[in-house]
Amino acid sequence: DAGVIQSPRHEVTEMGQEVTLRCKPISGHDYLFWYRQTMMRGLELLIYFNNNVPIDDSGMPEDRFSAKMPNASFSTLKIQPSEPRDSAVYFCASSGTSGRNEQFFGPGTRLTVL
Amino acid sequence: AQSVTQLDSQVPVFEEAPVELRCNYSSSVSVYLFWYVQYPNQGLQLLLKYLSGSTLVKGINGFEAEFNKSQTSFHLRKPSVHISDTAEYFCAVTSGAGNQFYFGTGTSLTVIP
Repeated sequence: DAGVIQSPRHEVTEMGQEVTLRCKPISGHDYLFWYRQTMMRGLELLIYFNNNVPIDDSGMPEDRFSAKMPNASFSTLKIQPSEPRDSAVYFCASSGTSGRNEQFFGPGTRLTVL
Repeated sequence: AQSVTQLDSQVPVFEEAPVELRCNYSSSVSVYLFWYVQYPNQGLQLLLKYLSGSTLVKGINGFEAEFNKSQTSFHLRKPSVHISDTAEYFCAVTSGAGNQFYFGTGTSLTVIP
């Protein structure tokens, strides 16, 4: 299995632009998580899905952030408009049906907003 | 609600010395506990996990952890560290309900040659 796949690995954009991050979970996993990691705040859970349905989006910082999961093999995290304070590493993770199952993390997308 | 506290933000240790990274959790229900490692510019990788059974759990790269229910702790240990163990270590807890994990703030382990 290729593991969790994220794209792009690096993204540099200018303030005000739209940014779309992509994630392909491990096949057969029905939970998908989006995290943000910064030096100041550490690892923060933004939103997670179960069977493509958003379960908890209380970690999404603002209305500028949105996430979708149109099918079991694809999810997006969109920031519109982007701001410099959105600069961070964004991780996607997936896991199986039981809470006992570990989460498998992707390599992350390093976002820099100028 | 659950939470995880990693008391040490940075731990420097000399090569071949033992190390312990501390993790305490808070939960009103049964928990499952995990340790993850993050090498520079990489995602998080699972080191080990406690689900049930023996309270001493062995993981990859010579790491082990002991679940202590009375002290609500899950400390990570290695008897002899290597330069390649330099990384960020995260403790996490879940109750299984909703599958949400709660991560600690991480401990940066630096192995000094």
